[in-house]
Amino acid sequence: KQEVTQIPAALSVPEGENLVLNCSFTDSAIYNLQWFRQDPGKGLTSLLLIQSSQREQTSGRLNASLDKSSGRSTLYIAASQPGDSATYLCAGGLGAAGNKLTFGGGTRVLVKP
Amino acid sequence: GAGVSQSPRYKVAKRGQDVALRCDPISGHVSLFWYQQALGQGPEFLTYFQNEAQLDKSGLPSDRFFAERPEGSVSTLKIQRTQQEDSAVYLCASSDTRVMHGNTIYFGEGSWLTVV
Repeated sequence: KQEVTQIPAALSVPEGENLVLNCSFTDSAIYNLQWFRQDPGKGLTSLLLIQSSQREQTSGRLNASLDKSSGRSTLYIAASQPGDSATYLCAGGLGAAGNKLTFGGGTRVLVKP
Repeated sequence: GAGVSQSPRYKVAKRGQDVALRCDPISGHVSLFWYQQALGQGPEFLTYFQNEAQLDKSGLPSDRFFAERPEGSVSTLKIQRTQQEDSAVYLCASSDTRVMHGNTIYFGEGSWLTVV
């Protein structure tokens, strides 16, 4: 059974600092690895999706890497802003439908002005 | 619609009551998913539809949980004889391809269920 772990559970940084969020998974037979953002009381917003054949994806200040052999993915957020404060969730896609997602518990991020 | 719409947004049910949660996916999206999110945790998979066919229901926690999507668009998640442990946010998501190997998935804002 796939297990996804995110460390740390919470992170507080001053504005402008780079953020590094870690995700580890036990089953390397994933179709994809996705990163989501969740604001309080809201649903999830997809940030980046890395296919199993890819090593990384970039979107603006966000960069996510995937190392299937070690079962790790890292989300980098450059030059953090207070608006980046949210919970960030990673999820491994499994099954015939790659969007049957197994989520980690999330990292709650606070960027202080 | 512009996004995945869920109703009701908030539901308080007495223990033993039946509830029905509705999901309107993005128009034309073939795939629809239900997830359950307990407070402070990541979402957990419940079930998956491709059009009207329920292809995977391995995540439904008990036979009190039932989901349907009879016409391949709107879906309903029904929970019978609710228990306190059913209290959670129920998230619906949709995606626009038949065989997903990583197409963007869109989540609704969830239905918050509290069982008292």
